[in-house]
Amino acid sequence: DAKTTQPTSMDCAEGRAANLPCNHSTISGNEYVYWYRQIHSQGPQYIIHGLKNNETNEMASLIITEDRKSSTLILPHATLRDTAVYYCIVRPSSGQNFVFGPGTRLSVLP
Amino acid sequence: DAGVTQSPTHLIKTRGQQVTLRCSPISGHKSVSWYQQVLGQGPQFIFQYYEKEERGRGNFPDRFSARQFPNYSSELNVNALLLGDSALYLCASSLMGLAGGFQETQYFGPGTRLLVL
Repeated sequence: DAKTTQPTSMDCAEGRAANLPCNHSTISGNEYVYWYRQIHSQGPQYIIHGLKNNETNEMASLIITEDRKSSTLILPHATLRDTAVYYCIVRPSSGQNFVFGPGTRLSVLP
Repeated sequence: DAGVTQSPTHLIKTRGQQVTLRCSPISGHKSVSWYQQVLGQGPQFIFQYYEKEERGRGNFPDRFSARQFPNYSSELNVNALLLGDSALYLCASSLMGLAGGFQETQYFGPGTRLLVL
């Protein structure tokens, strides 16, 4: 199963774009990249996922490099409520379950 | 539409006791997965059920068991509780589980926080 590497923590000023990087250099051709976030003591919240094309929804944008070895989650206008742990997950081709790493703790500062 | 619901929200047990946690998936979803999240770590996969059958199991001891009912709700049971079982237990639902393919999204409930004393 492909592993992901994310920075432990990041800060972002309120109103600015938050760009969260993720490395997944061993990703396979049919594996999707998923992003979830977890606000303190709540269940993880689905944000977005993609295979090879860039994706955008009402919450965020996902930029995947052409070689698929890395991706960036973009929150275009971060608010204080976006403070959370963000998990980048590569969907394993061997099974259905998600494998969560430690994620990136994003702090949005006023 | 209601999301994934879990009960109870909080639970306190003592070592050696048994606990049952409950999960109701999103309406129309047939697959339920259970995860354990110890403080400071990401969730760890325990079980997946689809159409009442176990379709996946993580690296957890046999003290952990689960089942899925005809209405697709699910229970997670933990026997002979240990202090290390203290965690947030998360349930996630999806439409079809593995049959849905690699792009099927799981939606998580709020979790049950279990404290073992």
